[in-house]
Amino acid sequence: DTEVTQTPKHLVMGMTNKKSLKCEQHMGHRAMYWYKQKAKKPPELMFVYSYEKLSINESVPSRFSPECPNSSLLNLHLHALQPEDSALYLCASSQDTGTGRTQYFGPGTRLTVL
Amino acid sequence: QKEVEQNSGPLSVPEGAIASLNCTYSDRGSQSFFWYRQYSGKSPELIMSIYSNGDKEDGRFTAQLNKASQYVSLLIRDSQPSDSATYLCAVPVGGSEKLVFGKGTKLTVNP
Repeated sequence: DTEVTQTPKHLVMGMTNKKSLKCEQHMGHRAMYWYKQKAKKPPELMFVYSYEKLSINESVPSRFSPECPNSSLLNLHLHALQPEDSALYLCASSQDTGTGRTQYFGPGTRLTVL
Repeated sequence: QKEVEQNSGPLSVPEGAIASLNCTYSDRGSQSFFWYRQYSGKSPELIMSIYSNGDKEDGRFTAQLNKASQYVSLLIRDSQPSDSATYLCAVPVGGSEKLVFGKGTKLTVNP
């Protein structure tokens, strides 16, 4: 089973709202990732968690706040977003962060910021 | 030079033909390479991974790797309309967990 789940599937929020995206995997993976994908562009890495610790932050604005409560869960807290933050947000997981590990993607959350 | 480059396409082939997708990368130290398929509005789905020079076959898909030329390709034999999607080449940068994607090649298979 290589399933990564994400909720919600769609989210519409205003610029003053606070919302959270949730990602879950039960494959025993110890690395989890957040990507952002704009239309007709490839995914861009935002954050990497390895063994529940943040290991990579790709200079993401502070209005995006990641959290890894345990090895199966990954959240992305959103606050004071801008319309240009509208995108598909993808969560992925891999066995660990070793070289060559395959990343498996969830279905994504389609975010619209009004 | 961009880290991962793909022939931008779009690529259109008739049903039953061979589709050839190409990717070059800049990091000579890269050891692993991935092809993902992404249908419109969906998330990327792993098609193939390849680590050694040469060919790797899985059903109708063949990945080819040439580390000396820093080149990796994906061949799809007997292309089907259901293969119509964007194909993304992905390479970890500097041996790290940071996966860098090419811009993708949009493939259309015409019935």
